Amino acid sequence: QKEVEQNSGPLSVPEGAIASLNCTYSDRGSQSFFWYRQYSGKSPELIMFIYSNGDKEDGRFTAQLNKASQYVSLLIRDSQPSDSATYLCAVNVKGGSEKLVFGKGTKLTVNP
Amino acid sequence: GAGVSQSPSNKVTEKGKDVELRCDPISGHTALYWYRQSLGQGLEFLIYFQGNSAPDKSGLPSDRFSAERTGGSVSTLTIQRTQQEDSAVYLCASSDRGRETQYFGPGTRLLVL
Repeated sequence: QKEVEQNSGPLSVPEGAIASLNCTYSDRGSQSFFWYRQYSGKSPELIMFIYSNGDKEDGRFTAQLNKASQYVSLLIRDSQPSDSATYLCAVNVKGGSEKLVFGKGTKLTVNP
Repeated sequence: GAGVSQSPSNKVTEKGKDVELRCDPISGHTALYWYRQSLGQGLEFLIYFQGNSAPDKSGLPSDRFSAERTGGSVSTLTIQRTQQEDSAVYLCASSDRGRETQYFGPGTRLLVL
């Protein structure tokens, strides 16, 4: 069973702080890693994707990947109340059909 | 351009009835996925279509669930003899290839009374 694990939270940070969201995965062959944001009552929307070890920055968001440790994280700098949502980690897995497997998500609350 | 569309947006049905949910993927996307999300839960994978390959049905919870994709585009998820535990949001997503970014539709909220 290919697993993607996330802390369910809730994670609560004050406005302006850095929020750190973590994800581990079990399939060493995984090559593509995605972070989605899901507001309550809405469908998931893509925040970032990362394929290579290291950091990838996009505005206030930084994705970090460490394939040796099978670990991917998302940092949100200068957190805003509008960042309050559930963040889903997704990883591609092989074997049978190659598809994305989603973690259960971490709920983030940014307090004004 | 147009995103993934789903219909209906909401569906209320009685236990034992059959329902059909429709997904229209982004034009040109070869991969199409169905997920189910119960209240406060994560995404539960149901079925995956990739081009002309046989679909991956490994996530379908029972033989009451089936899906088809006609002409490599529109997909229909059918739930026969609905049960109350089928109540959930059913999300459809499409991508250019199996391992690439998935784009989600707005979902269909199904309530089985």
